[in-house]
Amino acid sequence: ETGVTQSPTHLIKTRGQQVTLRCSSQSGHNTVSWYQQALGQGPQFIFQYYREEENGRGNFPPRFSGLQFPNYSSELNVNALELDDSALYLCASTPGGNTGQYFGPGTRLTVT
Amino acid sequence: GQSLEQPSEVTAVEGAIVQINCTYQTSGFYGLSWYQQHDGGAPTFLSYNALDGLEETGRFSSFLSRSDSYGYLLLQELQMKDSASYFCAVREGGRRALTFGSGTRLQVQP
Repeated sequence: ETGVTQSPTHLIKTRGQQVTLRCSSQSGHNTVSWYQQALGQGPQFIFQYYREEENGRGNFPPRFSGLQFPNYSSELNVNALELDDSALYLCASTPGGNTGQYFGPGTRLTVT
Repeated sequence: GQSLEQPSEVTAVEGAIVQINCTYQTSGFYGLSWYQQHDGGAPTFLSYNALDGLEETGRFSSFLSRSDSYGYLLLQELQMKDSASYFCAVREGGRRALTFGSGTRLQVQP
């Protein structure tokens, strides 16, 4: 158990819809990163938040957006869902100065 | 950009030792990490190497050679529960974001 929680566990959406995924970081961790993992692949970095500010972004379009709240919980929003957005979405939190990332259990998103 | 290469599959028997290699190409390097992921689960942090040499944590060890852009994960006294995917990952610069390899699927056989 990493202390990082995500909701929902599974989600089915239709192409064109919007989705919000949530993450609660481990206590004391001020950095949260979001990753997309397609089946059989490694996680791909979407973006990172540090103290409520976006602190870096991977190669994902603007329809992927996020928020981090004062309690360090976080949201990932995806607009105009496409079939290729079907994947496991992982959030990971990192305490200041630590080198390891602690992943939540993920949200399995299926777009039909 | 960054890219990492690791073997797609490795098979070994219980009690044996296995080494999973990782080579990387990066524009900036702040350390090599290893993660374990069981089917249906989330990646679990195993180890981190920022400097050359060997880091040991129980049955797992990780090695880094920055001059060769190469690292490996060594698993000793293999157990059935070690069957999982193993990912190497490079930290991108000052951020703590990670670039992952495609993973090595380890199958431990009786």
